[in-house]
Amino acid sequence: GENVEQHPSTLSVQEGDSAVIKCTYSDSASNYFPWYKQELGKRPQLIIDIRSNVGEKKDQRIAVTLNKTAKHFSLHITETQPEDSAVYFCAASSRGSTLGRLYFGRGTQLTVWP
Amino acid sequence: KAGVTQTPRYLIKTRGQQVTLSCSPISGHRSVSWYQQTPGQGLQFLFEYFSETQRNKGNFPGRFSGRQFSNSRSEMNVSTLELGDSALYLCASRDTGIQETQYFGPGTRLLVL
Repeated sequence: GENVEQHPSTLSVQEGDSAVIKCTYSDSASNYFPWYKQELGKRPQLIIDIRSNVGEKKDQRIAVTLNKTAKHFSLHITETQPEDSAVYFCAASSRGSTLGRLYFGRGTQLTVWP
Repeated sequence: KAGVTQTPRYLIKTRGQQVTLSCSPISGHRSVSWYQQTPGQGLQFLFEYFSETQRNKGNFPGRFSGRQFSNSRSEMNVSTLELGDSALYLCASRDTGIQETQYFGPGTRLLVL
């Protein structure tokens, strides 16, 4: 099955700096890559997603890039704010027989210091 | 639309008991997936139901089971609880059979003593 690796596991940045979280996947059939933000005690919230026919997607301060050849994708957060502090999860899925199953990375605890 | 809801939100059980968790998807969503979240193992897929049929199953023992009703509401059941079953159980709903985007509920936190 699919294996998603996520790095780093913890990330501390100063307010206003950028943060980058990287994930790799193993199954070339994976074609959908969402990112979730989970604040303490809350549900995972979808913040951005990308499909394999797109190399980059941006939504205000958040962007995701995908390199299908290298099988990696990254989350970029610019102008970080204290409210960006949370655990971020990357995930992958495919439209094959495992549609409906998300394979998650282990998460990145992002701390933004004011 | 209202989001995904789960009941109960918190549950304390003892070893050997069984538990049933409930998930109501976003209105119109026909797919419900269940995940177990623990500090040690992260987010792991349990199973997915679509139109009352189980379509995918993760690598969990048979003690973990589920079902889906005609209104798309889903339940998962864990029998013969073990200490290691203590976790946050999340369900997520998806719009159609081919839409990938999943929206999560708040979860049920299960503590097994």
